[in-house]
Amino acid sequence: GESVGLHLPTLSVQEGDNSIINCAYSNSASDYFIWYKQESGKGPQFIIDIRSNMDKRQGQRVTVLLNKTVKHLSLQIAATQPGDSAVYFCAEGYSGGGADGLTFGKGTHLIIQP
Amino acid sequence: SAVISQKPSRDICQRGTSLTIQCQVDSQVTMMFWYRQQPGQSLTLIATANQGSEATYESGFVIDKFPISRPNLTFSTLTVSNMSPEDSSIYLCSVGTGLTYEQYFGPGTRLTVT
Repeated sequence: GESVGLHLPTLSVQEGDNSIINCAYSNSASDYFIWYKQESGKGPQFIIDIRSNMDKRQGQRVTVLLNKTVKHLSLQIAATQPGDSAVYFCAEGYSGGGADGLTFGKGTHLIIQP
Repeated sequence: SAVISQKPSRDICQRGTSLTIQCQVDSQVTMMFWYRQQPGQSLTLIATANQGSEATYESGFVIDKFPISRPNLTFSTLTVSNMSPEDSSIYLCSVGTGLTYEQYFGPGTRLTVT
């Protein structure tokens, strides 16, 4: 079936720098996208979502960008902190099917170096 | 967001046995889902737990192997039947209110089959 994938499995950034995590999706019918953060031994934590009728959405220190033309999604984290170290997953969903679950990408391990 | 708990948090089971995992939410939710996360992998949707009716399974997952119950709007169980070492994974439930497309995850159940 169609899938969501990530370009880089591991991303290492200096503390205080900005980080960008990328995600490619292939299901053109998907109309909402969610970014999750998963720390070791824990369940995924909701970070931010975006609907397909938007191209940008901002939260606290995070920004999600959606480019439907190239089916690309990114998560920008500003001024990274040690607590940002985790695996980040993008996920896509389709609201037209009713109570559909999410399709997850492979994940990027973000490492914050002091 | 809802507070989600899972029991057990982890277990070690022998092959051929079955384990039932419980998911409890502190408020009524419209949607509940079960996911599997194999070691070092991303999340894969197993099924949507429907209140008052049979669960809806994704391709590759069958009711005989993963029977699911959802007796009310705050509780669901997933049983992993006739287990083999390949079933060793983290099993996660997630919930959605139906008002938005956000989904929130429980802490997961780490299952090891020997």
